[in-house]
Amino acid sequence: EIVLTQSPDFQSVAPEEKVTITCRASQSIGNNLHWYQQKPDQSPKLLIKYASQSFSGVPSRFSGSGSGTDFTLTINGLEAEDAATYYCHQTTSLPYNFGQGTKLEI
Amino acid sequence: QVQLVQSGAEVRKPGASMKFSCKTSGYTFATYIIHWVRQAPGQRLEWMGWINPNNGATNYAQNFQGRVSMTRDTSINTAFMELYNLKSDDTAVYYCARGGYLDVWGKGTTVTVSS
Repeated sequence: EIVLTQSPDFQSVAPEEKVTITCRASQSIGNNLHWYQQKPDQSPKLLIKYASQSFSGVPSRFSGSGSGTDFTLTINGLEAEDAATYYCHQTTSLPYNFGQGTKLEI
Repeated sequence: QVQLVQSGAEVRKPGASMKFSCKTSGYTFATYIIHWVRQAPGQRLEWMGWINPNNGATNYAQNFQGRVSMTRDTSINTAFMELYNLKSDDTAVYYCARGGYLDVWGKGTTVTVSS
């Protein structure tokens, strides 16, 4: 099965800074990699689909890139409301595993 | 708007089963698969499987094979998941989510398994 490893596990950043979260797959998954944001006691929300396609209604400061095994979620100009845990998720090969999550503190 | 409404929190004893529901609205139920994902306290998201509401086809994660059943009722646009032989480490929030890239999620159903 495909394992997704995110880094870092935790990051503390100041408002207006830029942050980059990476997700590495144990084998190639093409571009079938999606990013979600989850705030405490809420369900996850889709941010980026197919590695780089922004989902409708998501602020433009969120962007994604990558293909194959290495992927990146970038948040430009952090805002206080971006404090959350971010997960990557692959839908290439069963089981559709998630990364372990990256907790962002603003 | 698209909504996935899940059933309320439950408590179950070890060895019992739990049937979850996910009532959809705002779109054509048959045209998007429904995934089930769970999250134990403080843990990562764990994919459990999907069901195709169009034909009832299912695919389950190996971790749950033999202990999970996903069904649907197209007359009420609702997907169901039943988890059998519950253990304490099945205590979690269980989510349903729509489509190939899980674009809409329910709010989740919390299940506590405790004697």
